[in-house]
Amino acid sequence: GQNIDQPTEMTATEGAIVQINCTYQTSGFNGLFWYQQHAGEAPTFLSYNVLDGLEEKGRFSSFLSRSKGYSYLLLKELQMKDSASYLCAVDTGANNLFFGTGTRLTVIP
Amino acid sequence: EAGVAQSPRYKIIEKRQSVAFWCNPISGHATLYWYQQILGQGPKLLIQFQNNGVVDDSQLPKDRFSAERLKGVDSTLKIQPAKLEDSAVYLCASSGQNRDSYEQYFGPGTRLTVT
Repeated sequence: GQNIDQPTEMTATEGAIVQINCTYQTSGFNGLFWYQQHAGEAPTFLSYNVLDGLEEKGRFSSFLSRSKGYSYLLLKELQMKDSASYLCAVDTGANNLFFGTGTRLTVIP
Repeated sequence: EAGVAQSPRYKIIEKRQSVAFWCNPISGHATLYWYQQILGQGPKLLIQFQNNGVVDDSQLPKDRFSAERLKGVDSTLKIQPAKLEDSAVYLCASSGQNRDSYEQYFGPGTRLTVT
């Protein structure tokens, strides 16, 4: 079967750094995505990793290790607006995304 | 550019009734997806279209769910008859057909409540 594990909830302080981990076991792998979803809104794309290593985009970075089936999303200089759910998803082939249940991040002052 | 449009935004029906959702993808996007997102869970792919052909519908409960994309542009998803467990947000997404068009753009979703 297919499985993605990520923490259910995390809390961090404004201005701090937080790392959200994701481990996966899937039947296929064409890349790993991170999406942000604010409550009651649609998911929005954050990052895409297909090769091992770190991809940096502003305050957000994403890391992938294919051999370990592991990824993390790093958020720096946290802002209150970063309070949202962060979804890890694997492209199992032909752009077919398998999503985890998401990590609800709460940023506190 | 205009985003993915969906309607209605909210729908409340009784079990055993039927319901239909509509989606208009971003102009020029060849691939269209329907997802079901139950509260507290990640989106689950129901069906994927490439133009007007079905690429993957392995997770679509075909005894009650159907979807079509007749002209390769907009799409409808239908549930008949609805069950209580169908209460969820139904998200439509689209992506381009270029090699680097891996990003899926999501619409605002339709929140369905079955009572």
